[in-house]
Amino acid sequence: GAVVSQHPSWVICKSGTSVKIECRSLDFQATTMFWYRQFPKQSLMLMATSNEGSKATYEQGVEKDKFLINHASLTLSTLTVTSAHPEDSSFYICSARLKQGRDYGYTFGSGTRLTVV
Amino acid sequence: DAKTTQPTSMDCAEGRAANLPCNHSTISGNEYVYWYRQIHSQGPQYIIHGLKNNETNEMASLIITEDRKSSTLILPHATLRDTAVYYCIVRGPYYGGSQGNLIFGKGTKLSVKP
Repeated sequence: GAVVSQHPSWVICKSGTSVKIECRSLDFQATTMFWYRQFPKQSLMLMATSNEGSKATYEQGVEKDKFLINHASLTLSTLTVTSAHPEDSSFYICSARLKQGRDYGYTFGSGTRLTVV
Repeated sequence: DAKTTQPTSMDCAEGRAANLPCNHSTISGNEYVYWYRQIHSQGPQYIIHGLKNNETNEMASLIITEDRKSSTLILPHATLRDTAVYYCIVRGPYYGGSQGNLIFGKGTKLSVKP
């Protein structure tokens, strides 16, 4: 089946530094990728949608200058949390959409636990 | 995209069928019903999806009412490893300006007990 590999699985960084999270589609081309954030005991919140070769579309309330998304190839999308602060500590998850017959499927990465200290 | 309503939590005995309900009364004709589950600290796992007809795969069955305003996910023989949060999602069509993304609600926390 379609697999999205997400790295790192966890990261601890100092406040003020930047962190990059990578998501790779291993056996398919992901034209569209989604980035979610999940705080403890809460559901997944969609942050942005990225289409290969174009700028990401951010959900209301998500700072595009803080959460930089790059989707330069059909197999790689990255999320960079710039100038991270403790309130950015969360579980970040990517998802890729792929064509399945006449419909679409969505496969998720395993998530990245970010802790900002 | 239409919103969904699910019970906050449910318990199920190991080996018995788990029936998870979902209300989506505002669903429109071209919106799909998706079910995912999330085991603690992992990414969501696809279970099943459907549009109008009932669906079955190796993991579960999806029963959609005739008016499509509600559905039920059935895990035929629940095991301890099925303990997770189950999300029912109504996904809009992917065409035109719609991104067809998945919007997660709060889900149902299913606890399978020995």
